[in-house]
Amino acid sequence: EPEVTQTPSHQVTQMGQEVILRCVPISNHLYFYWYRQILGQKVEFLVSFYNNEISEKSEIFDDQFSVERPDGSNFTLKIRSTKLEDSAMYFCASTGQGKGPQHFGDGTRLSIL
Amino acid sequence: SQKIEQNSEALNIQEGKTATLTCNYTNYSPAYLQWYRQDPGRGPVFLLLIRENEKEKRKERLKVTFDTTLKQSLFHITASQPADSATYLCALEGNTDKLIFGTGTRLQVFP
Repeated sequence: EPEVTQTPSHQVTQMGQEVILRCVPISNHLYFYWYRQILGQKVEFLVSFYNNEISEKSEIFDDQFSVERPDGSNFTLKIRSTKLEDSAMYFCASTGQGKGPQHFGDGTRLSIL
Repeated sequence: SQKIEQNSEALNIQEGKTATLTCNYTNYSPAYLQWYRQDPGRGPVFLLLIRENEKEKRKERLKVTFDTTLKQSLFHITASQPADSATYLCALEGNTDKLIFGTGTRLQVFP
């Protein structure tokens, strides 16, 4: 069964550094998402992306965050200048239809020191 | 503001019994309500979706009900097994495709 893959599984970065989290969505999917989950808290929506542009973003997704689909397979989340509070699990998800079930990767654990 | 509550942080039941998990929401009119399973260190895995005009949905040992008047969904696992032990997440989807998740209920099924 096709799956969403995310790399790296764990990223440790110094505060203030830039970080790029990578995702390979399911190949025929057109809608892409990033969510985050701070340890012990709920999964929170960050951004949705369709047709090479952001469809919707949350208040968390401020100017320090950006997303990109640099080629036909990858979908990336960049945090420009990381803060301690950015430490969380970041999940990528994709879907073929834009509504309904979303397919999640197993996440990247981001630790900011 | 929108609020989603899942009945308890943790639920412990004996193998073979039916587990019932509750999801309540306020200040929202979801088009769909979805249930996901999340194992430790893993991403959410989709289980079931129910639309606002549907009352009940079943899949194997799983059943979901949706009451838009009460603003509540119930998620049932019948004949529960230790392998069903996980955190179960309720998620609402409205006019856009973003998912709004509850905090989850951690289910532990004991042999």
